[in-house]
Amino acid sequence: KAGVTQTPRYLIKTRGQQVTLSCSPISGHRSVSWYQQTPGQGLQFLFEYFSETQRNKGNFPGRFSGRQFSNSRSEMNVSTLELGDSALYLCASSLEILGARTYEQYFGPGTRLTVT
Amino acid sequence: EDKVVQSPLSLVVHEGDTVTLNCSYEVTNFRSLLWYKQEKKAPTFLFMLTSSGIEKKSGRLSSILDKKELFSILNITATQTGDSAVYLCAVEAGSARQLTFGSGTQLTVLP
Repeated sequence: KAGVTQTPRYLIKTRGQQVTLSCSPISGHRSVSWYQQTPGQGLQFLFEYFSETQRNKGNFPGRFSGRQFSNSRSEMNVSTLELGDSALYLCASSLEILGARTYEQYFGPGTRLTVT
Repeated sequence: EDKVVQSPLSLVVHEGDTVTLNCSYEVTNFRSLLWYKQEKKAPTFLFMLTSSGIEKKSGRLSSILDKKELFSILNITATQTGDSAVYLCAVEAGSARQLTFGSGTQLTVLP
């Protein structure tokens, strides 16, 4: 079974631009979560989607948004990029059975975003 | 605000040594604690703990949770250079379906 895939793997953008990152979960996984990882702040939760609905959101500004499609693929968008948005963005998927989530989240390889 | 603290922040040992990594937490409505290993890529899942006192074991790695004292430990015996990585502890709490991560422990195993 293929793992979580993320595209692109690396991205360089300039301040003020916007960016869209993509995540394809493991087949059958309908829950997709996004995390930002930086050396200073560690891994921080951005948001989680399930069945095309955002179920939970972390403490990030509105410049960070996301969506999920009917095939469970998810995208996250960051508008008006700032230097501090440079980070590794990780996507993770997990399986839910009858409303009960198996807590194991499987992470993708991440997208390394550099803002100059 | 949920908080997860890991110690030590970094650790350097020699092959064959045994190490213990610590994770303490302060959360509301604890649900589970997870351990991940992160090398130069995405975190990979190691263990999920929900009940106190029940040891989870996988090869040379083992972990246990103490819900009364609000901590967990991850033990690695007979360490190998391939164990060198950042070990992350995360806690899921309340109705939120999010993980709060600690800052990680950087383990370096020297030959």
